[in-house]
Amino acid sequence: DVKVTQSSRYLVKRTGEKVFLECVQDMDHENMFWYRQDPGLGLRLIYFSYDVKMKEKGDIPEGYSVSREKKERFSLILESASTNQTSMYLCASSLTWTANTEAFFGQGTRLTVV
Amino acid sequence: AQSVTQPDIHITVSEGASLELRCNYSYGATPYLFWYVQSPGQGLQLLLKYFSGDTLVQGIKGFEAEFKRSQSSFNLRKPSVHWSDAAEYFCAVAPRGAGNKLTFGGGTRVLVKP
Repeated sequence: DVKVTQSSRYLVKRTGEKVFLECVQDMDHENMFWYRQDPGLGLRLIYFSYDVKMKEKGDIPEGYSVSREKKERFSLILESASTNQTSMYLCASSLTWTANTEAFFGQGTRLTVV
Repeated sequence: AQSVTQPDIHITVSEGASLELRCNYSYGATPYLFWYVQSPGQGLQLLLKYFSGDTLVQGIKGFEAEFKRSQSSFNLRKPSVHWSDAAEYFCAVAPRGAGNKLTFGGGTRVLVKP
């Protein structure tokens, strides 16, 4: 089974802190994604990566950056956390850029910024 | 820009009754279409997907969905609901030939009455 693992289920951080959310997949997938989930808004794409060291902005990249130094790991970085970044963050991966493959999701990290 | 609309935020259904969840999308061309389910505290699990061919798609857990091009809809159905179907359901679309860059609807939360 494909496994997408997010390092933390719950995080509480203070305003202004630099926050790292880590995601690891074990199936040699090329594509990795970070989404943010908020009630009534569904999931919104923050950033994605289709190869090591490659990254593309999604629909809501402001306030975030990403890092992909190794194929299996994709990190989301909040440079200076703010209360409006309190949310559920979901990482996903998929095999290739060909769209007829499914995306697999991690369990999510619930981040609270106080 | 593409968008996905799930008109029903909440649906309550009795156990054993049928269920239909609505999904409409706005897109320049027919995208790939997906339904995901999220149980409490869990990540997203793929229920079914439509890429091409037969417009009635069978998925896991007894779910099916019908693609109607003329209505830009991809509604999810289940003939007889079980208590374990209580969850949040997300419709999503992805552009053809551009990976699994998903755009999600806002979600529908399903409550199952005994």
